Amino acid sequence: DAKTTQPPSMDCAEGRAANLPCNHSTISGNEYVYWYRQIHSQGPQYIIHGLKNNETNEMASLIITEDRKSSTLILPHATLRDTAVYYCIVRAGSGNTGKLIFGQGTTLQVKP
Amino acid sequence: DTGVSQDPRHKITKRGQNVTFRCDPISEHNRLYWYRQTLGQGPEFLTYFQNEAQLEKSRLLSDRFSAERPKGSFSTLEIQRTEQGDSAMYLCASSPAGRTDTQYFGPGTRLTVL
Repeated sequence: DAKTTQPPSMDCAEGRAANLPCNHSTISGNEYVYWYRQIHSQGPQYIIHGLKNNETNEMASLIITEDRKSSTLILPHATLRDTAVYYCIVRAGSGNTGKLIFGQGTTLQVKP
Repeated sequence: DTGVSQDPRHKITKRGQNVTFRCDPISEHNRLYWYRQTLGQGPEFLTYFQNEAQLEKSRLLSDRFSAERPKGSFSTLEIQRTEQGDSAMYLCASSPAGRTDTQYFGPGTRLTVL
């Protein structure tokens, strides 16, 4: 599975959009980009995933560059409850074990 | 849908003792995963089951560790002769058949080895 690079920490003002970047320059054609987050003292929570098209759900939007070497997770209106560690994971799709390989993620601090 | 549950939530033990953790996945989820997370690090994959079959084990899973999922429902993770380095959060996750896209995690069991 491809390696990802994320900034260790970011701040965001409450109510503003949080844009979390991820570099995955060695991503393969069959590998998806997944985002999970982990709020303090809880297990990780799935947010969104995509292959090459931009994706949006009720939690966030995922923007993947055309060359697929980087992506951005967007939380459109961050709240204090979005303070968490955000993990960007690259993994092959079907036919695999499904295991997730987590890096150290980005600690997002949403401030009032 | 009650989510993934883990028991106990916290365990304190003395070095050399054996401990066992339980994970109850979301019903009808056929895949079950165990991860370990130490302070300041992301979770690390330990092992996974498809139904009752254990299909992959990480090198992190030494011979002191054993996991079972006897009837393809709940799973147990046992650590024998615990060491201080085993202190960590042990996380369980499950996913439904044909949908490994998303894993649903439990709250974890925090193990402290004194």
